[in-house]
Amino acid sequence: GAVVSQHPSRVICKSGTSVKIECRSLDFQATTMFWYRQFPKKSLMLMATSNEGSKATYEQGVEKDKFLINHASLTLSTLTVTSAHPEDSSFYICSAKSGILYNEQFFGPGTRLTVL
Amino acid sequence: KQEVTQIPAALSVPEGENLVLNCSFTDSAIYNLQWFRQDPGKGLTSLLLIQSSQREQTSGRLNASLDKSSGRSTLYIAASQPGDSATYLCAVRLGGGADGLTFGKGTHLIIQP
Repeated sequence: GAVVSQHPSRVICKSGTSVKIECRSLDFQATTMFWYRQFPKKSLMLMATSNEGSKATYEQGVEKDKFLINHASLTLSTLTVTSAHPEDSSFYICSAKSGILYNEQFFGPGTRLTVL
Repeated sequence: KQEVTQIPAALSVPEGENLVLNCSFTDSAIYNLQWFRQDPGKGLTSLLLIQSSQREQTSGRLNASLDKSSGRSTLYIAASQPGDSATYLCAVRLGGGADGLTFGKGTHLIIQP
């Protein structure tokens, strides 16, 4: 089956620093990748959609200058949380969709970000 | 704006019981609906995906139904086991080129040994 990995799985950082999270599709080419965020006891919320080689499309209320997304290749997308603050602490999950397996998104294991 | 609601929010049942989890969505113009399992602090495991043209999907002890016109889906778990304990998430994908999923808050399920 299609496998998506994320790195790191957990990160703790000080307020004001930037954190980069990687999302990789291991055995398929992901034409589209998605970034979701999940706060405690809340549902997953789509943050942005990125297509390889083009700018990401952000959902309403998500600051594009704060959450930088780069989808430079068909197997890698990165999310950089710039100048992180405690309110950015959350569970970030990526998913990837193949142009061939177009019906389904495959999710990564998530990254737990804690900003002190 | 699509909203997804899951009922109940939490459920605790003895091992061996059959159970039903409910999901409703406000915009019936969906492309597909997907049920996931999420264990504490972990990512998502896809359980079943139902296309908008389908009525149900089955995998082992799991059966998911879809009534698109009424905006409802159910996940039926037969002969529940303690290993089924997890949070179950329902998500819909809208049509019209929008690929992102809209999730419900989930049902936290505990199967008592």
